[in-house]
Amino acid sequence: GQQVMQIPQYQHVQEGEDFTTYCNSSTTLSNIQWYKQRPGGHPVFLIQLVKSGEVKKQKRLTFQFGEAKKNSSLHITATQTTDVGTYFCAAKTSYDKVIFGPGTSLSVIP
Amino acid sequence: DVKVTQSSRYLVKRTGEKVFLECVQDMDHENMFWYRQDPGLGLRLIYFSYDVKMKEKGDIPEGYSVSREKKERFSLILESASTNQTSMYLCASSSVWTGKLLVATNEKLFFGSGTQLSVL
Repeated sequence: GQQVMQIPQYQHVQEGEDFTTYCNSSTTLSNIQWYKQRPGGHPVFLIQLVKSGEVKKQKRLTFQFGEAKKNSSLHITATQTTDVGTYFCAAKTSYDKVIFGPGTSLSVIP
Repeated sequence: DVKVTQSSRYLVKRTGEKVFLECVQDMDHENMFWYRQDPGLGLRLIYFSYDVKMKEKGDIPEGYSVSREKKERFSLILESASTNQTSMYLCASSSVWTGKLLVATNEKLFFGSGTQLSVL
């Protein structure tokens, strides 16, 4: 079945450094979503990308959807301790089935 | 705000027991999902439902069943719990996908707080 892969699995950064997580699919996606899960919490929706080559920004977060709609990235500029958590990408298949990547766990060292 | 409520935050059961995990959403969403989350494996889809009495298998349905008798409630059932079903279970809901012209803002998943199930 369709799979969504994410790298890296873990990332430790010094506060103020940038961070990027990458999401890749074996098939073309109709859209891609990003979620953040704080330690001990549940996933919270961040954004959805629909168009080929789309770029969206939320303050220090930049989300990009690849031209072929098979990959996506999330970039955080100048990380803060509040950015700690696991970032998941998710892709929708037919019949509204939503499958998640394995996630990237971000640690920020103060 | 959308609220997705899972009946228990923590649950401890014995091997072989029948386990019911309940999930209720208050936003009249058509779609509801059950995921399990395990370290290093992310969220894996067990079952989902896009309408009352409708259900579709996800990626790991074995050992589970579901029930959707009312639109707001989606139950996950472990017929005979086993130790490898120890996990965090997350319920989610979303509004319907109306086709290719769907407005993107309606598709996001709203998650409950999760149920940490331990099977001994």
